[in-house]
Amino acid sequence: EIVLTQSPATLSLSPGERATLSCRASQSVSNYVAWYQQKPGQTPRLLIYDVSTRATGIPARFSGSGSGTYFTLTISSLQPEDFAVYYCQQRSNWPPLFTFGPGTTLDFK
Amino acid sequence: QVQLVQSGRGVVQPGDSLRVSCAASGFTFSAYGMHWVRQAPGKGLEWVAVISYDATNKYYADSVRGRFTISRDNSKNMLYLEMNSLRGEDTAVYYCAKSRAGGYNYTDYWGPGTLVTVSS
Repeated sequence: EIVLTQSPATLSLSPGERATLSCRASQSVSNYVAWYQQKPGQTPRLLIYDVSTRATGIPARFSGSGSGTYFTLTISSLQPEDFAVYYCQQRSNWPPLFTFGPGTTLDFK
Repeated sequence: QVQLVQSGRGVVQPGDSLRVSCAASGFTFSAYGMHWVRQAPGKGLEWVAVISYDATNKYYADSVRGRFTISRDNSKNMLYLEMNSLRGEDTAVYYCAKSRAGGYNYTDYWGPGTLVTVSS
């Protein structure tokens, strides 16, 4: 079973700053990596899939990168609405089993 | 527009069984894989299971395999999760979610969730 770890657990930044969130896998994964955003009281929202493809309607300030065991989500210039919890997710090649990371809370500094 | 409407909350005792359901509309239900994902109170997301578009293939997280069964009825646009031998650690909000594209894909639309409480 592939385990995902995310760092940092909490990231405190101000609007306008750049955020870099990390996701590390316990073993090399394919390009089946996604990122979700969840705000309090809301369902998760798909931001990035296949490592670096933005989902429909996601602003260009969100970008994903990485390969092998290390992946990152970058928010180039934080907007007030970006403060939330972010989860990475991976899907194993076969069988198609999915795993979420524990999440990174992005909050106001 | 895509809509996923879930059944109400459930309170059961340890060892009991419960079925949660999800009614889909606004898309061709029979063309997409569907997932169940859960979230314990105040905790992170945990993927539970996925079912193929035609129900021929089903895959589960280790934590629920052998106790939970995912199923679907494409004639009714319905998704189900049958949960047996429930434990306290199964207490969570259970979300149904649609695969973004065909096959076993990420989830792009989520239902509002069904709170399942397992307590004696």
